[in-house]
Amino acid sequence: DAGVTQSPTHLIKTRGQQVTLRCSPKSGHDTVSWYQQALGQGPQFIFQYYEEEERQRGNFPDRFSGHQFPNYSSELNVNALLLGDSALYLCASSLRGGYSNQPQHFGDGTRLSIL
Amino acid sequence: AQSVAQPEDQVNVAEGNPLTVKCTYSVSGNPYLFWYVQYPNRGLQFLLKYITGDNLVKGSYGFEAEFNKSQTSFHLKKPSALVSDSALYFCAVRDMEGGSQGNLIFGKGTKLSVKP
Repeated sequence: DAGVTQSPTHLIKTRGQQVTLRCSPKSGHDTVSWYQQALGQGPQFIFQYYEEEERQRGNFPDRFSGHQFPNYSSELNVNALLLGDSALYLCASSLRGGYSNQPQHFGDGTRLSIL
Repeated sequence: AQSVAQPEDQVNVAEGNPLTVKCTYSVSGNPYLFWYVQYPNRGLQFLLKYITGDNLVKGSYGFEAEFNKSQTSFHLKKPSALVSDSALYFCAVRDMEGGSQGNLIFGKGTKLSVKP
């Protein structure tokens, strides 16, 4: 039973560039949420995708955007990268828009470093 | 505003001793509470959850947590710590309002260090 997989594992970019991170949910899950975990902090919710639409969004600027594909996989795009975007980006999958009583399952994350 | 607090940045215990990692929360309505563990360079692994029912919840790897509504707490416990339990522990509550309903609000994390 495949868990949540994320790619790439690590990424180095420079300020102003754009980046795309990818996530495949746990088998059987249909909902993908993205979180940003800055060094020494807990994860912060970015947005959630369900039925190929952004359903919920946290307090992040429009530079952060995403997409969900028919196979439930998802991408996170960040434009005009800032030094403060350096973080571990976590993908979590769940069922039915996240409203089931089952927990979210997390991938190992993508470590993004901005130079 | 909804929030989760983990008052200790670090907890140190000796192997074989009981451990407690503290968590308090502030939410509207009945809380859905979770504990996750994070090992170095890894994502978060689910340990246990409280949705409803018994206040003592049992989870993975011998961990348990006690829900206390009057104290708005959800402390993580284990009767006998192992060196391999050393990791970063996160308490989380499901967001029940605003634009991010259904997703998780995390505490800042507590680093658990178990010494042999």
